[in-house]
Amino acid sequence: DIVMTQSPDSLAVSLGERATISCKSSQSLLHSSSNRNYLVWYQKKPGQPPKVLFYWASTRESGVPDRFSGSGSGTDFTLTISSLQAEDVAVYYCQQYYTTGTFGQGTKVEIK
Amino acid sequence: EVQLVESGGGLVEPGGSLSLSCAASGFTFSNAWMNWVRQAPGKGLEWVGHIATETDGGTTDYAAPVKGRFTISRDDSKNTLYLQMNSLKTDDTAIYYCTATTAPPQWGQGTLVTVSS
Repeated sequence: DIVMTQSPDSLAVSLGERATISCKSSQSLLHSSSNRNYLVWYQKKPGQPPKVLFYWASTRESGVPDRFSGSGSGTDFTLTISSLQAEDVAVYYCQQYYTTGTFGQGTKVEIK
Repeated sequence: EVQLVESGGGLVEPGGSLSLSCAASGFTFSNAWMNWVRQAPGKGLEWVGHIATETDGGTTDYAAPVKGRFTISRDDSKNTLYLQMNSLKTDDTAIYYCTATTAPPQWGQGTLVTVSS
């Protein structure tokens, strides 16, 4: 099955600074017929279900602040928080849905 | 408004069985591939399995740790997804989420399953 690998496992960033999370898949997530990448980014806070940030790798979910951006194609994807806010402290996951639904291991984002 | 509401969680002994349900509303359930995802205490998100639409054959697929023990089914007439869990292990203790592979994806609030003696 497709293996999803995120890096780093954890990240400490100063308020207002940039946070960048990488997600790599073991095979391409680009669906040839739709020309879409079957990748979702989530934000997970304790006691809450995951919140969708981006689907199709870069389509922002309604209500997600524009300091968040999703990019990439094929096997390499990036989630960027351009200016970290206190409320962004969370664990972030990528998930492929090209075949099954495997997740990356998660990246914990904290304030430095 | 899209809603996915899980039910059926609880405490069960190792080796026991439990059945979860997920009631869907606010979207065309029969057109959506549906999934179960879980998160064990202190662990990451883990995809459990999915079921295709009837149009796509209604096929199922499962993660290795649950294959042969868990069964996903759906009743499109009731807009409901099911997860039958047999031969439960302590490692199956987790919050179980029902999700829809829609654009955007949709998630329920989850239901807690505790496997303990």
